[in-house]
Amino acid sequence: GAGVSQSPSNKVTEKGKDVELRCDPISGHTALYWYRQSLGQGLEFLIYFQGNSAPDKSGLPSDRFSAERTGGSVSTLTIQRTQQEDSAVYLCASSPFPRGTSEAFFGQGTRLTVV
Amino acid sequence: TQLLEQSPQFLSIQEGENLTVYCNSSSVFSSLQWYRQEPGEGPVLLVTVVTGGEVKKLKRLTFQFGDARKDSSLHITAAQTGDTGLYLCAGPYSGGSNYKLTFGKGTLLTVNP
Repeated sequence: GAGVSQSPSNKVTEKGKDVELRCDPISGHTALYWYRQSLGQGLEFLIYFQGNSAPDKSGLPSDRFSAERTGGSVSTLTIQRTQQEDSAVYLCASSPFPRGTSEAFFGQGTRLTVV
Repeated sequence: TQLLEQSPQFLSIQEGENLTVYCNSSSVFSSLQWYRQEPGEGPVLLVTVVTGGEVKKLKRLTFQFGDARKDSSLHITAAQTGDTGLYLCAGPYSGGSNYKLTFGKGTLLTVNP
């Protein structure tokens, strides 16, 4: 399909293990965002990639979190030594922004459960 | 400091009631967007407002952009259970050298039958 694709859709991991979450943005979109959402809550900004600029990592909650975007396309969010408080839905969005008033297109998210 | 403040954070109403939710900022935005997120899904764009004072209608939903382009509101008339979801506002923000869409934390609306 032509939308934002995230994988896996669900991930259960043991505390202390590392996890990788993948995001395939819409082709041609230069902007990519990662957000975290706890149950019944709003979006918590994590990281933003825009073209070849240095990513805005200001929302990453700790140094256990990192993300990369290869070739300006696919992005991977890595959480090391997972903790129970990392349990949440991780949403990825892409956008042709900052051209015009372009919208952000979201994937369906990865539900991460740390047990 | 959250650039976009949304209120109320939670709202629970009966079907048929009217409601308004707000998105406020101390900063001027060139445009604001409203998204709705249904359970288990990612947010989806409802509307973009661009001009100060602009009013846009989408069926029973009315969106307004403040004259000073610092705030916006969403009014729903005769709410239905299908309106249940998280409503998010977003706008482009230039922070330093990085220009990005910034989101409010949202209003979680529950419409009860």
